[in-house]
Amino acid sequence: DIQMTQSPSSVSASVGDRVTITCRASQSISTWLAWYQQKPGKAPDLLIYSSFGLQNGVPSRFSGSGSGTDFTLTISSLQPEDFATYYCQQSKSFPWTFGQGTKVEMK
Amino acid sequence: QVQLVQSGAEVKKPGASVKVSCKASGYTFTGYFIHWVRQAPGQGLEWLGRINPSTGGTSYARHFEDRFTMTRDKSISTSYMELSRLTSDDTAVYYCARNRYDGSGSTSVGCFDIWGQGTMVAVSS
Repeated sequence: DIQMTQSPSSVSASVGDRVTITCRASQSISTWLAWYQQKPGKAPDLLIYSSFGLQNGVPSRFSGSGSGTDFTLTISSLQPEDFATYYCQQSKSFPWTFGQGTKVEMK
Repeated sequence: QVQLVQSGAEVKKPGASVKVSCKASGYTFTGYFIHWVRQAPGQGLEWLGRINPSTGGTSYARHFEDRFTMTRDKSISTSYMELSRLTSDDTAVYYCARNRYDGSGSTSVGCFDIWGQGTMVAVSS
């Protein structure tokens, strides 16, 4: 199985900050990577697909990059509604696997 | 609008089975694979398997192959997942999720664009 490792596990930030979350795959996954946002008690929401594709309706302050084994999710200017947990997910091979999550908390 | 609506919370005893439903609306049910993902309390997300609603074909995570069954009823646009021989480790929120395709609708981009609201399954003696 492909292991997905996110860092950091948590980050403290303020409104307006630039936040970067990284995701590393245990083997090359090309650009078969998605990012999700999850708020407590809710299902995840798709933010980014195919490493850098912005899902319809997602604000442009979210962006994704990377290919192969190293990927990044960037929030250019953190907004109050962005405090949540973020997950990466690979679909290069089955079983599809997720990172362990990164919690973005208020500083 | 496009949505997936799941059945309600379940409480089961160890060794029992549970069946969760996921009703699709607002799109062509047979055009999109449905996946199941679970999340144990305070934990991350775990992919369980997927079903092709058009053919009924399935694939499961190896760890669950002998306990997990996915089915569908095309007449009511509903997918089902059944997990047998439950243990306390199966306590989790179970989500169904729709496979996202590219703009042409023909190529999977390997992620989930619509999620059900989740079904809590608690296993306790």
